[in-house]
Amino acid sequence: EAQVTQNPRYLITVTGKKLTVTCSQNMNHEYMSWYRQDPGLGLRQIYYSMNVEVTDKGDVPEGYKVSRKEKRNFPLILESPSPNQTSLYFCASSTTSGSLIVYNEQFFGPGTRLTVL
Amino acid sequence: AQKVTQAQTEISVVEKEDVTLDCVYETRDTTYYLFWYKQPPSGELVFLIRRNSFDEQNEISGRYSWNFQKSTSSFNFTITASQVVDSAVYFCALSESNSGGGADGLTFGKGTHLIIQP
Repeated sequence: EAQVTQNPRYLITVTGKKLTVTCSQNMNHEYMSWYRQDPGLGLRQIYYSMNVEVTDKGDVPEGYKVSRKEKRNFPLILESPSPNQTSLYFCASSTTSGSLIVYNEQFFGPGTRLTVL
Repeated sequence: AQKVTQAQTEISVVEKEDVTLDCVYETRDTTYYLFWYKQPPSGELVFLIRRNSFDEQNEISGRYSWNFQKSTSSFNFTITASQVVDSAVYFCALSESNSGGGADGLTFGKGTHLIIQP
């Protein structure tokens, strides 16, 4: 089954404790992205990747890191989480066929609800 | 810079009424793509439609229809004869290349929470 998986689905942690949220897709998509969703703010892009070893900042990259060493995986790393990073996080992927524009629908993971105390 | 505005934060209608969700976008690019996604109460994000900037034809899919007007930079979504199952948050999104000719990310509007009352 074609899907985007995220782990963990729920996480409660404390300020400063490094964490990684994994994202994996099995559709051989070039494009992957991380978003955070907050009430009243909608979905905001954190980082995205157009292909392996190619990553770029989205609108709210501060406090986050990503890597794209393999096509299928795009982990989101919070080196020192803070309470303002409490949010619902979505990973997404899409095929681009080499295009520089994301023109196809994005497939979203189920979301990771993160609470930083 | 790209921007998507969904001015309606919340809309509440009675079942069977028609409802239109507005989406206005800003872009300097001539090639761009517009999307609508649905987020039901269960939380997942569901793709509804994609439209490219060169295709201004309106589209109808069952009770759903979309009106794309470049002249007003709008991509509105209408649900005809609404049903309770249509209750969800709906997001409009824009994708374009950046000013340097390279790739850019996807920008979502803040969403419209649609409530269909029985």
